[in-house]
Amino acid sequence: QSVLTQPPSVSGTPGQRVTISCSGSSSNVGSNNVNWYQQLPGTAPKVVIYNNNRRPSGVPDRLTGSKSGTTASLAISGLQSDDEATYSCAVWDDSLFAWVFGGGTKVTVL
Amino acid sequence: QVVESGGAVVQSGGSLKLSCVASGFTFDDFGMHWVRQSPGGTLEWVSFISWDGEGVYYADSVKGRFTVSRDNSKTSLFLQMNSLRAEDTALYFCVKDIKAQLVRAGYMDVWGRGTTVTVAS
Repeated sequence: QSVLTQPPSVSGTPGQRVTISCSGSSSNVGSNNVNWYQQLPGTAPKVVIYNNNRRPSGVPDRLTGSKSGTTASLAISGLQSDDEATYSCAVWDDSLFAWVFGGGTKVTVL
Repeated sequence: QVVESGGAVVQSGGSLKLSCVASGFTFDDFGMHWVRQSPGGTLEWVSFISWDGEGVYYADSVKGRFTVSRDNSKTSLFLQMNSLRAEDTALYFCVKDIKAQLVRAGYMDVWGRGTTVTVAS
């Protein structure tokens, strides 16, 4: 059971917008920056959002991060087949004194 | 980039040492993590070591059994794993942090491809 709760899967058609939530608590999401990782099948995770809403160079602006209270979100607009991957949130937890990850959300493009 | 090695099949209660060699960045400017991914796919943070090796931190699940270390002269990171259990079976990633110390403002930015550890019961 992950400390951070994500939906196991979301899906959409090409061009649609999908949103992935990451629900935590006051000791993690509520007080620290959230980062999002994309993992394509058979590859290592890659950071796509850091510090809640910042994009590393090379990440398209179709991916946007946000946070409100103890829930963070990753939105993917203009969904493309390249976006098919598993997305995981990660944040430092002040109570556990550890980095914690969400269970991951698999995005499927129909 | 970072490249892990040392994964293997080991019996429950056994030991194993993982290694990671880094290149393309100034290794001793950054802290380093080990993160593992269970067969079910969930990521779990395992350990962090500061740039100078003075600060070491562990997840509760591995505390007392795993030891992280680094050799900056060889741009290498290590994870000594003892008293291995079936639940330690995972793909282990070597990961670079953007910061030198373990701070809330840090995050993991460079990941290796991982090395597989299987603990047979």
